[in-house]
Amino acid sequence: GENVEQHPSTLSVQEGDSAVIKCTYSDSASNYFPWYKQELGKRPQLIIDIRSNVGEKKDQRIAVTLNKTAKHFSLHITETQPEDSAVYFCAALGPGKSTFGDGTTLTVKP
Amino acid sequence: GAVVSQHPSWVICKSGTSVKIECRSLDFQATTMFWYRQFPKQSLMLMATSNEGSKATYEQGVEKDKFLINHASLTLSTLTVTSAHPEDSSFYICSARLAGVTGELFFGEGSRLTVL
Repeated sequence: GENVEQHPSTLSVQEGDSAVIKCTYSDSASNYFPWYKQELGKRPQLIIDIRSNVGEKKDQRIAVTLNKTAKHFSLHITETQPEDSAVYFCAALGPGKSTFGDGTTLTVKP
Repeated sequence: GAVVSQHPSWVICKSGTSVKIECRSLDFQATTMFWYRQFPKQSLMLMATSNEGSKATYEQGVEKDKFLINHASLTLSTLTVTSAHPEDSSFYICSARLAGVTGELFFGEGSRLTVL
């Protein structure tokens, strides 16, 4: 089955700096790669996603890159703000399957 | 984005009783829904994949007789925790996937179960 590895598990940055979170996956059938932000006790919220026919996608301060050959994808947050502090999950989805990374706790220090 | 509603948001029950959690896609039809369990400060652990009109597919280590899943319609899936015990206390969350090969995944609000 699919295996998703996410790094780092914790990340602390200064406000205004960039944050990068990386994930690797194993199943070549996975074709959809979303990123979610989860605040304590709340549901994960989709923040950006990328499909396997695209290499990069950007939405304001957030960007995602995908390398299908190497089976890895990354989340980039620029100009971080304290409200970006949360747990971020990557996921790899294929037909009838969803596998999540273990999450990254991002702390943005003011 | 699409809306997925989960109910109840929290429930407290006595050991030995059964608890049903509902997951509804409010503005789209979901042929596939997923059920997860999440422990504090940990990731989402996939429990099972719920397919409309057929039996759920359970992940290894998840007892299908304890966690009954029913997906009777394209907008509703239910998870019943049978004969609940304190170790079943957790945050249970569902998600529903939009139709299509690369359909987006949306989450319910989650249900916090506490078994006394």
